[in-house]
Amino acid sequence: DADVTQTPRNRITKTGKRIMLECSQTKGHDRMYWYRQDPGLGLRLIYYSFDVKDINKGEISDGYSVSRQAQAKFSLSLESAIPNQTALYFCATSRTGSYGYTFGSGTRLTVV
Amino acid sequence: GQNIDQPTEMTATEGAIVQINCTYQTSGFNGLFWYQQHAGEAPTFLSYNVLDGLEEKGRFSSFLSRSKGYSYLLLKELQMKDSASYLCAVVEQTGANNLFFGTGTRLTVIP
Repeated sequence: DADVTQTPRNRITKTGKRIMLECSQTKGHDRMYWYRQDPGLGLRLIYYSFDVKDINKGEISDGYSVSRQAQAKFSLSLESAIPNQTALYFCATSRTGSYGYTFGSGTRLTVV
Repeated sequence: GQNIDQPTEMTATEGAIVQINCTYQTSGFNGLFWYQQHAGEAPTFLSYNVLDGLEEKGRFSSFLSRSKGYSYLLLKELQMKDSASYLCAVVEQTGANNLFFGTGTRLTVIP
């Protein structure tokens, strides 16, 4: 089993719909992150969480919300999806005191 | 703020050597990472430099000069499977110590 699992792997949704992307990890890491990747723009940070009670906005949080349901679970929601949220979304984890990230396999989201 | 520059695309021949450069400007610095990412897949860790100098790991080496805000990734004996994007990322020296990524360099290895 993967250390960091994202579901779904692919999703097509309509404009205005609410959608949730889920991430779970078995690494035992305390820190979790959501990034989006667009061609030519690289990975940009949406939200990050250092523990269950700690949620922080990243570079591009508008239009997104998150929930840290447990140390191992971190979900990303789009309350009302719009086409420019079409992107590849990655969840990542790390451990306090260590800078390296472990990435999930990604969720390809298309908003039509 | 942060800024990272790396070439958008590079092409090299199988068996050759290629150097991918990365320059950065940050208000603080806690190290630099290189990740490899095949199309549509997750980034995977290649190297981490926090001190000046060269770190060698098999066919891959990474160099850092903190005074120049410069790093490079050197790939030797190129193989077709090395065709991928290579992401340079710096550790922000803030309370969060998050990674800030460059836009990546897409390397194509040709026969």
